[in-house]
Amino acid sequence: QKEVEQDPGPLSVPEGAIVSLNCTYSNSAFQYFMWYRQYSRKGPELLMYTYSSGNKEDGRFTAQVDKSSKYISLFIRDSQPSDSATYLCAMRVDSGNTPLVFGKGTRLSVIA
Amino acid sequence: DVKVTQSSRYLVKRTGEKVFLECVQDMDHENMFWYRQDPGLGLRLIYFSYDVKMKEKGDIPEGYSVSREKKERFSLILESASTNQTSMYLCATANPRGGWTEAFFGQGTRLTVV
Repeated sequence: QKEVEQDPGPLSVPEGAIVSLNCTYSNSAFQYFMWYRQYSRKGPELLMYTYSSGNKEDGRFTAQVDKSSKYISLFIRDSQPSDSATYLCAMRVDSGNTPLVFGKGTRLSVIA
Repeated sequence: DVKVTQSSRYLVKRTGEKVFLECVQDMDHENMFWYRQDPGLGLRLIYFSYDVKMKEKGDIPEGYSVSREKKERFSLILESASTNQTSMYLCATANPRGGWTEAFFGQGTRLTVV
């Protein structure tokens, strides 16, 4: 079993839809949970991060972490064509020099 | 703004060539990483470095080596390029002070080995 599992999609939704993206993980030591967005032919950029459990909201984006279920989610409300990208979840333990562990990424297309 | 610059966007090399991919960052970050990204496999860590002249193997180090002679520069070396090393290569940096939460990525180098 891989440490981080993410459905690669592709996912295609109409403009205005609510999008739910998810990752599961196996390492209970993960404490930092991140979502990166990667546009075509670009490097990933950090979208949101959460430390430990709970929810975090930033505009149309909400990140949720459920450590008891080892499950994280990213919700996008009122999705826009500009949200079309690959979304990668990433996690790391709370230790200075440990690298991120990434999911495979979900490719999202929002159709106008 | 943090800037992570990879020396080439696109490279085409022949099988057996020694290939150097360069990454330079301008934010004095200690940690630097090399990933490769392939369809269906996601981002996989090749090597990382948390200090000058230090290096750690990632998940797929075979066929690669790295060099970090200066803090701002981290080089990935393909000792003898093979076709299965055709991929997108991404460099990233992070600052471990204060519990870092963001890795900054370069634009990527798309390498084709023929």
